[in-house]
Amino acid sequence: GEDVEQSLFLSVREGDSSVINCTYTDSSSTYLYWYKQEPGAGLQLLTYIFSNMDMKQDQRLTVLLNKKDKHLSLRIADTQTGDSAIYFCAERIYNTDKLIFGTGTRLQVFP
Amino acid sequence: NAGVTQTPKFQVLKTGQSMTLQCAQDMNHNSMYWYRQDPGMGLRLIYYSASEGTTDKGEVPNGYNVSRLNKREFSLRLESAAPSQTSVYFCASSGRTSGSPHNEQFFGPGTRLTVL
Repeated sequence: GEDVEQSLFLSVREGDSSVINCTYTDSSSTYLYWYKQEPGAGLQLLTYIFSNMDMKQDQRLTVLLNKKDKHLSLRIADTQTGDSAIYFCAERIYNTDKLIFGTGTRLQVFP
Repeated sequence: NAGVTQTPKFQVLKTGQSMTLQCAQDMNHNSMYWYRQDPGMGLRLIYYSASEGTTDKGEVPNGYNVSRLNKREFSLRLESAAPSQTSVYFCASSGRTSGSPHNEQFFGPGTRLTVL
């Protein structure tokens, strides 16, 4: 079945870049997503990438997709304390609106 | 637009008690979802509803029932709560935002449930 994996924790210094990695198993996924969850809140969509793309840039966010290795990454440039949150990657199950979420990566930004 | 709303925000139950978690969306979305979030396990789908009048099991449906009351509302019921159901529950709905090529899932703020 489908499975999405992420490392659980990442700690970076303010101003550095953060890279959060994700692997997925369903090669037929059409869209892959990054969601952000701030403490005590629900998930908010940060960005997404269509499966026929290799890269997508959106201000400080860069998403890289390696379809061959089924690897997705989210790079946050100039990481700020406000970026501290849990980041979830998710893959969309082919021909549905259902998502499979990863375990989430808790990003901690220290001064 | 309130988006996706959930009630209650917090709840403590004793083992064996029942309760219903409420969810409503005002975005005219067809699909709605219930997830649970547990540490180190991400979000797992409990039930979903692709349209009014239909519901289907997700990954972890045991111990839960759902009702899609109308297009706006999707409730989750625990008939006999167990400590293993202590979790944070999220409701979501999906639909297309302006300019988007696909349906996006929008999440409610969550219900934190503790079963003693």
